[in-house]
Amino acid sequence: EAGVAQSPRYKIIEKRQSVAFWCNPISGHATLYWYQQILGQGPKLLIQFQNNGVVDDSQLPKDRFSAERLKGVDSTLKIQPAKLEDSAVYLCASSLGLQRGLTDTQYFGPGTRLTVL
Amino acid sequence: GNSVTQMEGPVTLSEEAFLTINCTYTATGYPSLFWYVQYPGEGLQLLLKATKADDKGSNKGFEATYRKETTSFHLEKGSVQVSDSAVYFCALSDAVQGAQKLVFGQGTRLTINP
Repeated sequence: EAGVAQSPRYKIIEKRQSVAFWCNPISGHATLYWYQQILGQGPKLLIQFQNNGVVDDSQLPKDRFSAERLKGVDSTLKIQPAKLEDSAVYLCASSLGLQRGLTDTQYFGPGTRLTVL
Repeated sequence: GNSVTQMEGPVTLSEEAFLTINCTYTATGYPSLFWYVQYPGEGLQLLLKATKADDKGSNKGFEATYRKETTSFHLEKGSVQVSDSAVYFCALSDAVQGAQKLVFGQGTRLTINP
């Protein structure tokens, strides 16, 4: 079974530029997550989709970050304009999307390492 | 809000030593608890999980028991190998709230020397 795919694996940009990341979840997984992992810290959820609807984007800096999940499958995360503090690994994860009250295991992609100069 | 606290690293051990990485949590409701591992250059992988009090998760010789009375989920392994060198993350997920956001600890870097 193929895992969560992400691209690119690495990206270097200058501040104020824009950048986009792509994620393809595991086939059949209804729920998709984007996390930001700053060096030396644990991942922090940015946004969660259930099919193509947003479930939680409370920690997404909406003035510069945007995300979409077209047709409930692939997703893109965009930063415009980028700041130095956006340097991090951006992780995509997916899960089956189980009913409330059941544990829904998340599977992670390899991540995209972003460096903002 | 929900939070996870892990013992600070880095942790360095010799091969075949006993490993404990402490993890405590603060949560409302009844969270599920997880240990994820991140090997060098790779993404996060689920190592083990426990979904209710007194459950024991185990995988690859690692174990962790969900202790509600002490709000802990410590990771243990009886005899570590060089290949266990990685960063370990403790996390919780509160399934009751529907949106199953994972809340992670800060991670513990483990190095095993031959």
